[in-house]
Amino acid sequence: AQSVTQLDSHVSVSEGTPVLLRCNYSSSYSPSLFWYVQHPNKGLQLLLKYTSAATLVKGINGFEAEFKKSETSFHLTKPSAHMSDAAEYFCVVSAALNTGGFKTIFGAGTRLFVKA
Amino acid sequence: DVKVTQSSRYLVKRTGEKVFLECVQDMDHENMFWYRQDPGLGLRLIYFSYDVKMKEKGDIPEGYSVSREKKERFSLILESASTNQTSMYLCASSSLAPGAGQPQHFGDGTRLSIL
Repeated sequence: AQSVTQLDSHVSVSEGTPVLLRCNYSSSYSPSLFWYVQHPNKGLQLLLKYTSAATLVKGINGFEAEFKKSETSFHLTKPSAHMSDAAEYFCVVSAALNTGGFKTIFGAGTRLFVKA
Repeated sequence: DVKVTQSSRYLVKRTGEKVFLECVQDMDHENMFWYRQDPGLGLRLIYFSYDVKMKEKGDIPEGYSVSREKKERFSLILESASTNQTSMYLCASSSLAPGAGQPQHFGDGTRLSIL
């Protein structure tokens, strides 16, 4: 079975400080993992994806995430927050099913607040 | 860039009406998806389609149907709208199968209110 847990529903940081958004997953098969960002009244935009290549994945806007199989984690980080990073972030896991199809599971989301 | 266009950003309808939400993608993607997004519940899959005229139920298909007559267009239909279908609806597309590592590309959403 697959699942994804975003450990924080809200994270608040000051502008210029590091960002850490935490995500744990479970999957019976080798998963693909994604982070998306959603700004108010907009759709989801892909930040980065992991698909069994390098475990440290770099994305857009200075974000990166590290796949840690032993910890079943895929945390999203950014060295220095910007006001424009304030948004909701979704961790997503996708993997093959033993029935031959695929299943994609979205986390509940983490809302990031950035203080001036 | 992939463009997924949803025909309406905001829509207000009455209970019992038949409602059509339209979605068009311009990247020749095989897969298309309809989700609804509600506070505290995240994104929930309503239906998806992996080819023209093909459709599969997602996690919450009750009260909805879909149509895919052309590869680029995927329509969501609320057969008889009810107030509990008030929500943000998101359309997405992807090439091949999601488990192959292909990300989904999303439209900007339709905020639907049923009065």
